[in-house]
Amino acid sequence: GQQLNQSPQSMFIQEGEDVSMNCTSSSIFNTWLWYKQDPGEGPVLLIALYKAGELTSNGRLTAQFGITRKDSFLNISASIPSDVGIYFCAGQRYTDKLIFGTGTRLQVFP
Amino acid sequence: DTAVSQTPKYLVTQMGNDKSIKCEQNLGHDTMYWYKQDSKKFLKIMFSYNNKELIINETVPNRFSPKSPDKAHLNLHINSLELGDSAVYFCASSQGRESSYNEQFFGPGTRLTVL
Repeated sequence: GQQLNQSPQSMFIQEGEDVSMNCTSSSIFNTWLWYKQDPGEGPVLLIALYKAGELTSNGRLTAQFGITRKDSFLNISASIPSDVGIYFCAGQRYTDKLIFGTGTRLQVFP
Repeated sequence: DTAVSQTPKYLVTQMGNDKSIKCEQNLGHDTMYWYKQDSKKFLKIMFSYNNKELIINETVPNRFSPKSPDKAHLNLHINSLELGDSAVYFCASSQGRESSYNEQFFGPGTRLTVL
């Protein structure tokens, strides 16, 4: 089945640093979503994007819906230890199922 | 207080056995889902039910059979378990049928290990 490619696969950063990750697809999506999964838990929605070019923030998190509708970006500013986890992008075409990305594993060192 | 709950949290069983995983949501949502997350953390939808009606059925072996007794419950029964079925299974729910505006809320997952 289709997969969305996320990069980087993993990141090891120091507390206070900014983080950027992206997600690319071979097809167009109408909705882009970013989820975070903590160890032993299910994914939790962070940001939802509904329009090409849209830039949306949620606290220290900012995500963008790419103009081509084939990509999306997530930035985390001033990282803190609780940002540790796996970040997933997900794309959706109209009312179709969600397609999840391969995940970016983030580790934050104090 | 829990929005989407799953039981059991962990399930260890032998190859060939039949097992069930239960899911309940108290959010009043109409749509429920089962996802499988493999060892590489890749999340893939298996099934989706809207008001007890099956609306998404991905290419999943017919050993997997979802059952929705009411719109608050979606159980997953697996027959003749195989080693490759080992994964974390997540239940999720959303307000309506999948659309751009319906956030999916995930349960805590059931880690299935087949020996």
